Amino acid sequence: AQSVAQPEDQVNVAEGNPLTVKCTYSVSGNPYLFWYVQYPNRGLQFLLKYITGDNLVKGSYGFEAEFNKSQTSFHLKKPSALVSDSALYFCARMDSSYKLIFGSGTRLLVRP
Amino acid sequence: EPEVTQTPSHQVTQMGQEVILRCVPISNHLYFYWYRQILGQKVEFLVSFYNNEISEKSEIFDDQFSVERPDGSNFTLKIRSTKLEDSAMYFCASRGPGRAVNEQYFGPGTRLTVT
Repeated sequence: AQSVAQPEDQVNVAEGNPLTVKCTYSVSGNPYLFWYVQYPNRGLQFLLKYITGDNLVKGSYGFEAEFNKSQTSFHLKKPSALVSDSALYFCARMDSSYKLIFGSGTRLLVRP
Repeated sequence: EPEVTQTPSHQVTQMGQEVILRCVPISNHLYFYWYRQILGQKVEFLVSFYNNEISEKSEIFDDQFSVERPDGSNFTLKIRSTKLEDSAMYFCASRGPGRAVNEQYFGPGTRLTVT
């Protein structure tokens, strides 16, 4: 069963506008959730994580994500998108054995 | 900042050949992983390794695959007899002790092309 879902294959946004990349999870208990970004021909870069505590998590490059237990979501957000934010974004959950289970990825395209 | 490195960046091999993908994890890390990403698809877990043995492996990680930490620094993934469907990007990751115990750091990947 899919435990991390990214419902959008692609998100398009104009530079300067806020962006949201959606992620939902389907696991009971308190999940460990992550966002990674992959630039073309590069590896996966850690952006941010939610383990416990404050539901609003701030990460690298001005990104943040909000853990919402009632909606089982962990959407990635940024108040003002940059063209350089264009990349592939992966939501992931860490399971009890510490391996990462990734969503299918969302391509973010920020147009000038 | 310390980083995970992988070599080669791109490997082309013929079907049936053996390949070894190399990774140098972050030096004080204790847990090591291989993931793969078939072009255009999501990243999938292959295997985890701790204390010189496999901790967990996925159903993808069949008898054709093996991992080794031969010298305390390198962490290798061997595919004994490659198949066309092994063509993918292979990522190594490592995880350390302390505050960052639940963060995995990924290398840049090796693109494997099987012809």
